[in-house]
Amino acid sequence: EADIYQTPRYLVIGTGKKITLECSQTMGHDKMYWYQQDPGMELHLIHYSYGVNSTEKGDLSSESTVSRIRTEHFPLTLESARPSHTSQYLCASSENRGIGGGSDTGELFFGEGSRLTVL
Amino acid sequence: QQQVKQSPQSLIVQKGGIPIINCAYENTAFDYFPWYQQFPGKGPALLIAIRPDVSEKKEGRFTISFNKSAKQFSLHIMDSQPGDSATYFCAASWGTSGTYKYIFGTGTRLKVLA
Repeated sequence: EADIYQTPRYLVIGTGKKITLECSQTMGHDKMYWYQQDPGMELHLIHYSYGVNSTEKGDLSSESTVSRIRTEHFPLTLESARPSHTSQYLCASSENRGIGGGSDTGELFFGEGSRLTVL
Repeated sequence: QQQVKQSPQSLIVQKGGIPIINCAYENTAFDYFPWYQQFPGKGPALLIAIRPDVSEKKEGRFTISFNKSAKQFSLHIMDSQPGDSATYFCAASWGTSGTYKYIFGTGTRLKVLA
């Protein structure tokens, strides 16, 4: 079992509310990620971090923001939620990858997800 | 060129059948090809992975076949069971140490009938 936790698991809120999705990992991984998974299953990278005070936007544009003040914590915030933000949000972490084909592959460990519904 | 194309989108097989899920890529810089398995209400979890220097890898009932020249790889599930019913994602990764990235396929919903 991977030691990466997301809260809340389910959230139903009204339009305009501010929400924060929490993600914590106890594996000491430097790298953390947020993926958005739509009903069609596809995983879209929306944010990632390579370490403390490092955050980058992913391939899919998102109105959410993230912060990485501590290695183990990578929260995602929506300042004003809208129905278009309704989705499943998956947090993941990974260790550094080996150089030159080493055994360290940088496996992604996912949390169980936060399902957000905005009414 | 950064895409991984996965097919089929969904698959139904009888118990004991051998479902096959296929993925294709263009970017020759990819050097690690994992498969993730996702059950409803859970996050994806690594199932099996392969590097391009081997043509096949087997772990239990799961086998990856890799064709480097065709830039294709596939997942075979031997003697499939109803408990294998899940969504399967292929992925490709490239880069080293601090800068590697992952690209995921679009997923295949597998249902194994009892």
